[in-house]
Amino acid sequence: EVQVVESGGGLVQPGGSLRLSCAASGFPFSNYWMTWIRQSSGKGLERVANINQDGSEINYLDSVKGRFTISRDNAKNSLYLQMNSLKPEDTAIYYCARVIFMGAMGPWGQGTLVTVSS
Amino acid sequence: ETLLTQSPGTLSLSPGEGVTLSCRASQRVSSNSLAWYQQRPGQAPRLLIYGASTRATDIPDRFGGSGSGTDFTLTISRLEPEDFAVYYCQQYGNSPWTFGQGTKVEIK
Repeated sequence: EVQVVESGGGLVQPGGSLRLSCAASGFPFSNYWMTWIRQSSGKGLERVANINQDGSEINYLDSVKGRFTISRDNAKNSLYLQMNSLKPEDTAIYYCARVIFMGAMGPWGQGTLVTVSS
Repeated sequence: ETLLTQSPGTLSLSPGEGVTLSCRASQRVSSNSLAWYQQRPGQAPRLLIYGASTRATDIPDRFGGSGSGTDFTLTISRLEPEDFAVYYCQQYGNSPWTFGQGTKVEIK
C-alpha cells in the first residue's frame, strides 16, 4: 500500500522550533518529488515546500522562506521539515504528500498538528 | 500568484442528485494543470482528478473533470452518501501552486 505518515507536531512557543518527519512506504521514494502542505482555518490549504528527487531543487511558500527547511533522506524513505522562528500564523495541520503528474498530490498522510502559542 | 475561486461555497443536495462545482483561475492555468481533491470530515484530502480531466487511481467514474484555461468544473453524476464532503481545486501549472477555498457539499 502506498502511504505516507507524518510525525513531530506539537505545541511550541512563538520563536521556537519543530522538526516534522514523514515516513513513506509502498513506492520508490527516491523517484518522486515530495511536498509539505498545511491547512488552517484562516488560510485554507497552502503548499509550504517542495523538494525534487535528489534535493537539488526546492521551492518554498514566501511566508516561510528563511525560516523553514525541507529535506529528504532517500536511504530512509523519509521527508523532513525543519521549522524555526515559528509564528502564531504557522499554526496548522501539516501534511506530507507525494507529488505526481507534475504537481498533483497523492496520497496525503493523516497530518500532524502544529500549534504555535504562548 | 494564481488565485482560484470556487463556487458555490456550499451546496445542499440529496443522495442520487448530480452536481457541478466550479473553479475559476485569475490567470490561465498552464497545460491544464489542475487537480481536484475531496476532504471528508476528519480526514486528509484525497486526489480525485489531475490534468483537469483524468481520474486518479480507484476513483469511481461518477466523478468527472473538465475545463481549460481559466474555467474548470468537477461533476459528480449521482451523489453517494460518502460523497458529502468538501472539494478543493489546485493548480500546479503556475508558480506558486495554489488551492481554492473549497466547496462544501452537504446533505439536504
